[in-house]
Amino acid sequence: DVKVTQSSRYLVKRTGEKVFLECVQDMDHENMFWYRQDPGLGLRLIYFSYDVKMKEKGDIPEGYSVSREKKERFSLILESASTNQTSMYLCASSFQGDQPQHFGDGTRLSIL
Amino acid sequence: GENVEQHPSTLSVQEGDSAVIKCTYSDSASNYFPWYKQELGKGPQLIIDIRSNVGEKKDQRIAVTLNKTAKHFSLHITETQPEDSAVYFCADRGSTLGRLYFGRGTQLTVWP
Repeated sequence: DVKVTQSSRYLVKRTGEKVFLECVQDMDHENMFWYRQDPGLGLRLIYFSYDVKMKEKGDIPEGYSVSREKKERFSLILESASTNQTSMYLCASSFQGDQPQHFGDGTRLSIL
Repeated sequence: GENVEQHPSTLSVQEGDSAVIKCTYSDSASNYFPWYKQELGKGPQLIIDIRSNVGEKKDQRIAVTLNKTAKHFSLHITETQPEDSAVYFCADRGSTLGRLYFGRGTQLTVWP
């Protein structure tokens, strides 16, 4: 079974802090994704990566950056956290092509 | 960019009834259409997918239909059970290799 693991289920941080969300997958997938999920807005893509050291902007990249130094790990970085970044963050991975994305169970992040 | 619309946003049915969720998409190049189920406190899980060379696909009580001419696809759940209660998301691949575009989700509630 594919396993996508997000390092924290719940996280509370303060405004202005630099926040790191970590995601690890164990299936040697090329593609990895970061989404945020807000009520009524569905899943919105922040960033994605096709390969190590590669990244592409999604639909809402402002205020975020990512890092992919190893194939199995994809990190989302909030450079200076703000209250409007309070949300559920979901990581996903897939093989290239028309292959399903597999999701982690999410990190619920609160910025106070 | 690609736009996926999903209806209804909420759906309540009696146990044993059928449930139908509909999605439309805009990118005529889309050729892969997955459906995800998200239970409370978990990440989305793939339940069924369909590719554009197929008009219908069935897996036990779940079926998906695709009409490429009209650019819409639907999820059908028959003989609903309380454990079917969850948020369901449709998605399509669009033209950008690897990434998915999601609908905003449908909260399905099945009453015993």
